[in-house]
Amino acid sequence: EAGVAQSPRYKIIEKRQSVAFWCNPISGHATLYWYQQILGQGPKLLIQFQNNGVVDDSQLPKDRFSAERLKGVDSTLKIQPAKLEDSAVYLCASSSIGRASRETQYFGPGTRLLVL
Amino acid sequence: GIQVEQSPPDLILQEGANSTLRCNFSDSVNNLQWFHQNPWGQLINLFYIPSGTKQNGRLSATTVATERYSLLYISSSQTTDSGVYFCAVDPSWRGANSKLTFGKGITLSVRP
Repeated sequence: EAGVAQSPRYKIIEKRQSVAFWCNPISGHATLYWYQQILGQGPKLLIQFQNNGVVDDSQLPKDRFSAERLKGVDSTLKIQPAKLEDSAVYLCASSSIGRASRETQYFGPGTRLLVL
Repeated sequence: GIQVEQSPPDLILQEGANSTLRCNFSDSVNNLQWFHQNPWGQLINLFYIPSGTKQNGRLSATTVATERYSLLYISSSQTTDSGVYFCAVDPSWRGANSKLTFGKGITLSVRP
């Protein structure tokens, strides 16, 4: 089966610009996650969807970050305006049921963002 | 929130050597997973192991939930084992809104 797809793979922008990332999860996976991984650290969950509803967005900086999963399949994550500290790898993951408990998360290749 | 500590932070091995990677966590969990992030950044799930022992080829993992630690064993290491190994946990008390909290990772370099 196809894995989690993400695009673009790399993006370089200047601060205060906007950027969007796209993710297509594994077919049939109801739960989709966006993580931010800063260099030298583990991934940090930004937002979790189950189908097209938000389960957890407690660590999403809502003043500049937004995410949607309108049809319960693919998702977009947007940053507007970007700051230097947003430079990171943005990882998308999916799993087959709604709870992180008991379920394996499958990760995409990530989008590397550099904000200048 | 739950704290996840991994040790050692860095590990250099000669090909063929064995190693043990450790993950300590500060609260009870109902989900613990080990991941390998290869040098190109791809995260691959190795084990789902909230308790007990599992083996997959040269890799095995043991979680002692009552003592709040997990160990990942790599035997006969190969250069392709290089990368960063993450432990990620889900605290039991989060219920339906559970989410994985990752440690900082262990960077493994296997020299030929």
